[in-house]
Amino acid sequence: NAGVTQTPKFQVLKTGQSMTLQCAQDMNHEYMSWYRQDPGMGLRLIHYSVGAGITDQGEVPNGYNVSRSTTEDFPLRLLSAAPSQTSVYFCASRFTGGAGNTIYFGEGSWLTVV
Amino acid sequence: RKEVEQDPGPFNVPEGATVAFNCTYSNSASQSFFWYRQDCRKEPKLLMSVYSSGNEDGRFTAQLNRASQYISLLIRDSKLSDSATYLCAVHLNTNAGKSTFGDGTTLTVKP
Repeated sequence: NAGVTQTPKFQVLKTGQSMTLQCAQDMNHEYMSWYRQDPGMGLRLIHYSVGAGITDQGEVPNGYNVSRSTTEDFPLRLLSAAPSQTSVYFCASRFTGGAGNTIYFGEGSWLTVV
Repeated sequence: RKEVEQDPGPFNVPEGATVAFNCTYSNSASQSFFWYRQDCRKEPKLLMSVYSSGNEDGRFTAQLNRASQYISLLIRDSKLSDSATYLCAVHLNTNAGKSTFGDGTTLTVKP
């Protein structure tokens, strides 16, 4: 039961470097999203997707890109890392439509930008 | 104004106490509501869904008031193991819908 798988779990970047956080789900969920959570704070939505080929911005999209070429994968790209992007990143997925669709989270990716 | 707002907390209560959390949402088109629990350095996990008629799961009771656009979570007979951060979540179930979370309320249950 893989669920939502995120890699890497930990990463240290230098300012200005780029990297991609990978996210894959095996539940055939249409909806996938990325959140960041800063210490003592809630989840802030970065980008989300309601299906392959469809993405939209969330609350804090600047500095991040996403693409959704398949139902299973939703990578998050940091274009030029900044210390302000030091955070824990969670990928999540769920079915769209209907009611009571639980959202499932990956275990998180801890990113430090120095 | 945030789309989903929660009681700021933190809540520090003794074992056995009853504690209630509230959450308000601004989008009247919101269709699904949930409470999640998040332990330190872990991902959020579903605690319970919130239905229009209210629902109960053991010591936990969730209520939804669509007219006032708020949901609540009541924990009775608090246990030490209930210490965690509780997040409310609101989903738009349309094909373009998104899921939005509150900032969470931290509960510490003390002996």
